[in-house]
Amino acid sequence: DTGVSQDPRHKITKRGQNVTFRCDPISEHNRLYWYRQTLGQGPEFLTYFQNEAQLEKSRLLSDRFSAERPKGSFSTLEIQRTEQGDSAMYLCASSPSQSYEQYFGPGTRLTVT
Amino acid sequence: AQSVTQLDSQVPVFEEAPVELRCNYSSSVSVYLFWYVQYPNQGLQLLLKYLSGSTLVKGINGFEAEFNKSQTSFHLRKPSVHISDTAEYFCAVSDVGTDSWGKLQFGAGTQVVVTP
Repeated sequence: DTGVSQDPRHKITKRGQNVTFRCDPISEHNRLYWYRQTLGQGPEFLTYFQNEAQLEKSRLLSDRFSAERPKGSFSTLEIQRTEQGDSAMYLCASSPSQSYEQYFGPGTRLTVT
Repeated sequence: AQSVTQLDSQVPVFEEAPVELRCNYSSSVSVYLFWYVQYPNQGLQLLLKYLSGSTLVKGINGFEAEFNKSQTSFHLRKPSVHISDTAEYFCAVSDVGTDSWGKLQFGAGTQVVVTP
């Protein structure tokens, strides 16, 4: 069991650029969640998938954000035309079907300059 | 709608002393409750969870928490802390049985600083 992995761990980009993050969940975990954590705050829910279906998106997820999980395994989160306010830690978590227990990855820290 | 309030943003504590981190929640439906710990530059690790049954739940690293439904609280305790317990602690809730089950709502976190 290698746990949830995320890539990259750190990303520095200039305002206006597009970025994409990847999350690999624990094998056979059906649910995959994305959260965003800003400095001094708890994680905030962004979106989640049940297999390849995206079931809910937070109002925090503006039109510039898109997430996919094309084959029900890994997921990507893309941010287009990044803004300084997008600077945060992006956390991915997965859970087995019918379980409330989530396993978190190490996160991707995004800095928009 | 849910909300989670962690009443202390920072808790300084001496090594081997007890610590209590307070968490209150509000929700219109039944909830499950969780405590996570986050070490610097790392993801979140589950300390313990309350799903049902005994209101006193024990977790990893000597932590325990008590669910109090009437006071809508889920306070975390450890009788004797170590330097290695220095970290940020998050309380979280999840709706039970709704369309959004599984989605976590987190508190703002409590930074625990253990000094010798």
